[in-house]
Amino acid sequence: GQQLNQSPQSMFIQEGEDVSMNCTSSSIFNTWLWYKQDPGEGPVLLIALYKAGELTSNGRLTAQFGITRKDSFLNISASIPSDVGIYFCAGREIQGAQKLVFGQGTRLTINP
Amino acid sequence: GEEVAQTPKHLVRGEGQKAKLYCAPIKGHSYVFWYQQVLKNEFKFLISFQNENVFDETGMPKERFSAKCLPNSPCSLEIQATKLEDSAVYFCASSQGVAGWGYTFGSGTRLTVV
Repeated sequence: GQQLNQSPQSMFIQEGEDVSMNCTSSSIFNTWLWYKQDPGEGPVLLIALYKAGELTSNGRLTAQFGITRKDSFLNISASIPSDVGIYFCAGREIQGAQKLVFGQGTRLTINP
Repeated sequence: GEEVAQTPKHLVRGEGQKAKLYCAPIKGHSYVFWYQQVLKNEFKFLISFQNENVFDETGMPKERFSAKCLPNSPCSLEIQATKLEDSAVYFCASSQGVAGWGYTFGSGTRLTVV
């Protein structure tokens, strides 16, 4: 099946620092999504990207849909303690039932 | 409601017992998806529904897993004769459409098989 490679697997940063994570795929997707998961909760949608090359912001978050449609990145600027959690990229398949394929997640830890 | 409601929050079953999980999608959402999140956070797709019809069941271990979405009832995921490796968090998600929409996830059911 399709796989997404998400990196880094974990990040340990100081409060106020910027964060960058990315996902790559061997397959093309028609939608890229970024989710955040807090402990004991389901993933919450942060940003959705629908067009190749699209750059979208949501507050301190910025994400881009790669031109090749095989990659995406998420940046978080000026991190704050509530940014702690696990971030997942997800690509929506083009064919068939268009289910989501998830990356392995990036665990973000922030030192105050 | 505006959230995907999953019950129960936690479920403990002895190996070989049956487990049944429930999901009430957001009103007006016609697509329901079940995912299994195992150790190391990996999400595995199980099955999706368009209203009460199975849309994609390519991820279902068919010999022990079954799922339904019946009109006017919560959707359900049932595991017959649970095994230790079924221990995971099971997430349900719903969406209005298929193309171009992100899902809304429930809070999950943590199944522990002992």
